Amino acid sequence: AQSVAQPEDQVNVAEGNPLTVKCTYSVSGNPYLFWYVQYPNRGLQFLLKYITGDNLVKGSYGFEAEFNKSQTSFHLKKPSALVSDSALYFCAVRDWTSGTYKYIFGTGTRLKVLA
Amino acid sequence: DVKVTQSSRYLVKRTGEKVFLECVQDMDHENMFWYRQDPGLGLRLIYFSYDVKMKEKGDIPEGYSVSREKKERFSLILESASTNQTSMYLCASSTPVAGGEQYFGPGTRLTVT
Repeated sequence: AQSVAQPEDQVNVAEGNPLTVKCTYSVSGNPYLFWYVQYPNRGLQFLLKYITGDNLVKGSYGFEAEFNKSQTSFHLKKPSALVSDSALYFCAVRDWTSGTYKYIFGTGTRLKVLA
Repeated sequence: DVKVTQSSRYLVKRTGEKVFLECVQDMDHENMFWYRQDPGLGLRLIYFSYDVKMKEKGDIPEGYSVSREKKERFSLILESASTNQTSMYLCASSTPVAGGEQYFGPGTRLTVT
């Protein structure tokens, strides 16, 4: 079955420290992977995606993600966290079983950056 | 910039009412989606559409219907609202490219009393 898991409901990190938000996936077919961010009372915003190529993907606001095929993971990272990074983060994967343009979302991880 | 707009940010309706949620995108995207977002459950797909007048059920279509008469507009209809449909509703659009990202509207927080 196609699925994506975000094992942590919340991640706390001090401002200036590196941050990691975890995502693992299970898909048949090519793993097209995405990260989105949701600020309070807003819709989701696209951060970055992995389709093919370099395993390290760079995205908006200084975020990057590392695709690891052997561990079936796509963790979101940032070298130095800002208080303004505090938000809800969603990992998503393309669902190939449907034959149409469907995506499966994780349950979300709330990131809190402490000043 | 891609813009996806939703007709209301907040909506309060009574049980049994028919509710219309409207979504408009301005980037000529073929694909449009309706999700509901609930704490701890992430985003769950209600319906999506890959062309005008075309629609497909998502994971939780019960109690909902949709309409897509024009390419830029995708409407979600709650035929008879119930309290368990209280939720945040998110509309999204994307191009018909396999690796295309989705663009989301700001969401409508619907409360059914």
